[in-house]
Amino acid sequence: ILNVEQSPQSLHVQEGDSTNFTCSFPSSNFYALHWYRWETAKSPEALFVMTLNGDEKKKGRISATLNTKEGYSYLYIKGSQPEDSATYLCASPRGGGTSYGKLTFGQGTILTVHP
Amino acid sequence: DTEVTQTPKHLVMGMTNKKSLKCEQHMGHRAMYWYKQKAKKPPELMFVYSYEKLSINESVPSRFSPECPNSSLLNLHLHALQPEDSALYLCASSLVGGRMKMNTEAFFGQGTRLTVV
Repeated sequence: ILNVEQSPQSLHVQEGDSTNFTCSFPSSNFYALHWYRWETAKSPEALFVMTLNGDEKKKGRISATLNTKEGYSYLYIKGSQPEDSATYLCASPRGGGTSYGKLTFGQGTILTVHP
Repeated sequence: DTEVTQTPKHLVMGMTNKKSLKCEQHMGHRAMYWYKQKAKKPPELMFVYSYEKLSINESVPSRFSPECPNSSLLNLHLHALQPEDSALYLCASSLVGGRMKMNTEAFFGQGTRLTVV
């Protein structure tokens, strides 16, 4: 069983604050780490797919880092805006071979940015 | 077109009804997925189709029957469901990634909110 855990469960910040949250996963048999943003009444939207230890990816004000040896990834949001309010999910695939496609999701971090 | 379209958006069905959920994508993705999401829980994988063949069934009860009639369409046939099957059902698609290791992003639909009464 692959346990993907996220913290904190929820976060309230003021507009303009920078924030970050964590995804932890088993470091053995690592394949990839996905980050998704899920706004209410919309589809989950991929932010990043990371595969290499030490990788850092950036999309606008959002960036993510990956440490596969210790089994964690951080997601950072710089200068949060109300439109960043969403649930942020991380996910990692399990197994190999015939286990293709088995994405296991963390519980998510619910971010609320107050104007 | 980077959309995954799911219909219907909402569905209420009785325990003796038969209904189907539909999912469509035109991105040329050859991997398609059904996930189930209960309130305050993460999405849980139900089925994976790869090149229109069922490759993973996560021990889903037979009252859920998936079908992939072609590379753009994915259906989930529902029959004799229970109230505890009420959930958001998400469809997703992706490229079949290198080394089959899910190193490409998944594109999700908005989901079908199913209520079983």
